[in-house]
Amino acid sequence: GENVEQHPSTLSVQEGDSAVIKCTYSDSASNYFPWYKQELGKGPQLIIDIRSNVGEKKDQRIAVTLNKTAKHFSLHITETQPEDSAVYFCAAVRGNTPLVFGKGTRLSVIA
Amino acid sequence: DSGVTQTPKHLITATGQRVTLRCSPRSGDLSVYWYQQSLDQGLQFLIQYYNGEERAKGNILERFSAQQFPDLHSELNLSSLELGDSALYFCASSVGGHPTYNEQFFGPGTRLTVL
Repeated sequence: GENVEQHPSTLSVQEGDSAVIKCTYSDSASNYFPWYKQELGKGPQLIIDIRSNVGEKKDQRIAVTLNKTAKHFSLHITETQPEDSAVYFCAAVRGNTPLVFGKGTRLSVIA
Repeated sequence: DSGVTQTPKHLITATGQRVTLRCSPRSGDLSVYWYQQSLDQGLQFLIQYYNGEERAKGNILERFSAQQFPDLHSELNLSSLELGDSALYFCASSVGGHPTYNEQFFGPGTRLTVL
């Protein structure tokens, strides 16, 4: 089955700097890659996603890139703010199978 | 607020006991997913229901069972509890049953502690 590796497990950045989180997946048939943000005491919330027919997607300060050949995808957050501090999860899925999540990255934005 | 509600918020129980976790999906959502989140394993998919029928099954233990009722709320039953079952249990819901095409909305979770 699918296996998703996520790095780094923790990341600290200064406010205003950029943050990059990377994930690799094993199943070349995976075709949908969502990213979730989990704030303390809350459930994960979808923040951006990308499908296999697209190489990059951007939404304000957040962007995701996908390299199908290398089977990896990345989350980029620019101009980080304290409210970006959270745990971020990547996931991969193919067809009708359930989401497979990475183990998460704890992002701390230092003011 | 995602619109998904879970009760109880916290649950403390002893080994060998049985508990029931409840989830109410967003209005209009037909699909319910259950996940277990532990520190070392991250978010693990347990089971999915769509309109009352089991749709997909993950690495759910035989001691665990779930169902979705006609009003679409769902319950996750955990029995013969072990220390290792201590975790956050999340419910998520979506309109349709296809994970690739339907955003999942997560509830706030139930924190289970087994002593």
